[in-house]
Amino acid sequence: DIQMTQSPSSLSASVGDRVTITCQASQDISNYLNWYQYKPGKAPKLLIYDASDLETGVPPRFSGSGSGTDFTFTITSLQPKDIGSYYCQQYDNLPPTFGGGTKVEIK
Amino acid sequence: EVQLVESGGGLVQPGRSLRLSCTVSGFTFGTYAMSWFRQAPGKGLEWVGFIGGKAYGGTTEYATSVKGRFTISRDDSKSIAYLQMNSLKTEDTAVYYCTRVRGATMVRGVFVDFWGQGTLVTVSS
Repeated sequence: DIQMTQSPSSLSASVGDRVTITCQASQDISNYLNWYQYKPGKAPKLLIYDASDLETGVPPRFSGSGSGTDFTFTITSLQPKDIGSYYCQQYDNLPPTFGGGTKVEIK
Repeated sequence: EVQLVESGGGLVQPGRSLRLSCTVSGFTFGTYAMSWFRQAPGKGLEWVGFIGGKAYGGTTEYATSVKGRFTISRDDSKSIAYLQMNSLKTEDTAVYYCTRVRGATMVRGVFVDFWGQGTLVTVSS
């Protein structure tokens, strides 16, 4: 199985800050990477697919980049509604596998 | 609006069976593959398996951890996907999520785009 290493595991930032999360795959996954937002009690929400494509309806303050093994997810201006956890996930091979998640809090 | 609603979770004894349902709306169900994931308490997200859409004859694939015990099926006339879980173990305790695959099958480059809110399955004596 492909291992996904995500960091940091948690972060605290101020409203308006730029937030960056990284995800590293254990082997080349091309651009087959998603980023999801998770809030307790709610359905996880797809934000970014194919490493850098913004899902329909997702605000443009969210973005993704990278290919191969190294990927980055950015929130350009953190908003209070962005608190929650974020996960990367590869879909290059079955089984699809996830990073360990990043919990984002407001400072 | 795409919606997926899981049901059927609860407390079950080890060795027993449980069937989860996923009722969907807002899209043409038969066109899409459906997949199940789970997250055990304090653990990461884990893929359980998927079932292909009508075009792929409902073919299935499973994670090694559940192969031979879990079965995914679908009723396209009712827009419901099922996860039949047999010979349950304590380590199957998790929140189970139903998801839609953005395609008729789950192959390289095809991803999950919509999730349900999940249903909790607790396996304990």
